[in-house]
Amino acid sequence: AQKITQTQPGMFVQEKEAVTLDCTYDTSDPSYGLFWYKQPSSGEMIFLIYQGSYDQQNATEGRYSLNFQKARKSANLVISASQLGDSAMYFCAMRLTGGFKTIFGAGTRLFVKA
Amino acid sequence: NAGVTQTPKFRVLKTGQSMTLLCAQDMNHEYMYWYRQDPGMGLRLIHYSVGEGTTAKGEVPDGYNVSRLKKQNFLLGLESAAPSQTSVYFCASSLLRGETQYFGPGTRLLVL
Repeated sequence: AQKITQTQPGMFVQEKEAVTLDCTYDTSDPSYGLFWYKQPSSGEMIFLIYQGSYDQQNATEGRYSLNFQKARKSANLVISASQLGDSAMYFCAMRLTGGFKTIFGAGTRLFVKA
Repeated sequence: NAGVTQTPKFRVLKTGQSMTLLCAQDMNHEYMYWYRQDPGMGLRLIHYSVGEGTTAKGEVPDGYNVSRLKKQNFLLGLESAAPSQTSVYFCASSLLRGETQYFGPGTRLLVL
């Protein structure tokens, strides 16, 4: 069975600093995708970044990058130059390639301090 | 381009009442999904649809029914609401199977 673990219920970061949100996953299937979503206090789920299991390079999207370590089964999200607007809940998720079911972690709440 | 929209945004029901949540997408996506979000548990898949006229059960389907009569709409029904169905419900859609899912703004449901 697939599983996503986010061990940090809450994180604090100073504005303009970088922060890493941890995510580990478990699957025996070799083909899968990893996703990060942001959920601000307004409640919507915003897609941030995607990494395929066969991708050779770590995914990047603007200030977001995904530190993908396949052997360790980790997919950490790195946010560079944090902004106050980054304060939100962040969810790591996984889906098997060609599958319908997306497994979500419990989330990490990030607080950015001015 | 509205993306994924959900109606209503908030609803209060009494135990035993019924209601339908509407999800609409204007991206011509084939796949649509209904999730529920509960504190500390992330999102869990209730039902999904792989195209107009098709539906399938997800992880937590009991107590819910769905219909996809039109490609752009995916309805989630509660026939007899229970307090355990108090949650935030999210609809999502994706162009292809396994592709990135785009979410609606959510519906907050309180069952008393």
